Amino acid sequence: GENVGLHLPTLSVQEGDNSIINCAYSNSASDYFIWYKQESGKGPQFIIDIRSNMDKRQGQRVTVLLNKTVKHLSLQIAATQPGDSAVYFCAENGGYSTLTFGKGTMLLVSP
Amino acid sequence: NAGVTQTPKFQVLKTGQSMTLQCAQDMNHNSMYWYRQDPGMGLRLIYYSASEGTTDKGEVPNGYNVSRLNKREFSLRLESAAPSQTSVYFCASSETGVKGGYTFGSGTRLTVV
Repeated sequence: GENVGLHLPTLSVQEGDNSIINCAYSNSASDYFIWYKQESGKGPQFIIDIRSNMDKRQGQRVTVLLNKTVKHLSLQIAATQPGDSAVYFCAENGGYSTLTFGKGTMLLVSP
Repeated sequence: NAGVTQTPKFQVLKTGQSMTLQCAQDMNHNSMYWYRQDPGMGLRLIYYSASEGTTDKGEVPNGYNVSRLNKREFSLRLESAAPSQTSVYFCASSETGVKGGYTFGSGTRLTVV
């Protein structure tokens, strides 16, 4: 939504660059992770997910990497476009029946 | 296919007033959720309903109540609004639990003065 970007870490890239957004998660018992994209004034939108028995998963222009040893998740966006400008959240399930969300990273893409 | 529909989109309340935020999904999902989003805080779970007829507290339930009216509808009620409840509220649904992720509504921006 509006103002969600305040106080967030920001990644600024040029159109056509590759972007890498990072997320540290807290619960070593988490077995399922999701990346969401949130554009201004809208609700979060599912991008890609990964289970803990995988360390990499690819989608269209996006790749998620999972490093369970250091509890780190990353989202790579290839050939970033202005339409990719948004806030990106990682989420983990932690063994419970709900998702816990990170605080988010704002991605700004300049033409 | 509308997905998850939230009403209203915007609301201003005076301290102490009550209101109900409405949420409906048309995807035949079993689980529904209410989150609030504040600047720099990410999304925090208020209440959820794993299936019709059940509700459970999330991380920040104080000051809220919920009703799972039927499989489609899950409402959030503020009995006596406080300025600390100024936030953007998102409803979400999932087929069952977390696998496959949630589908979110477009949010309700609530200001309590």
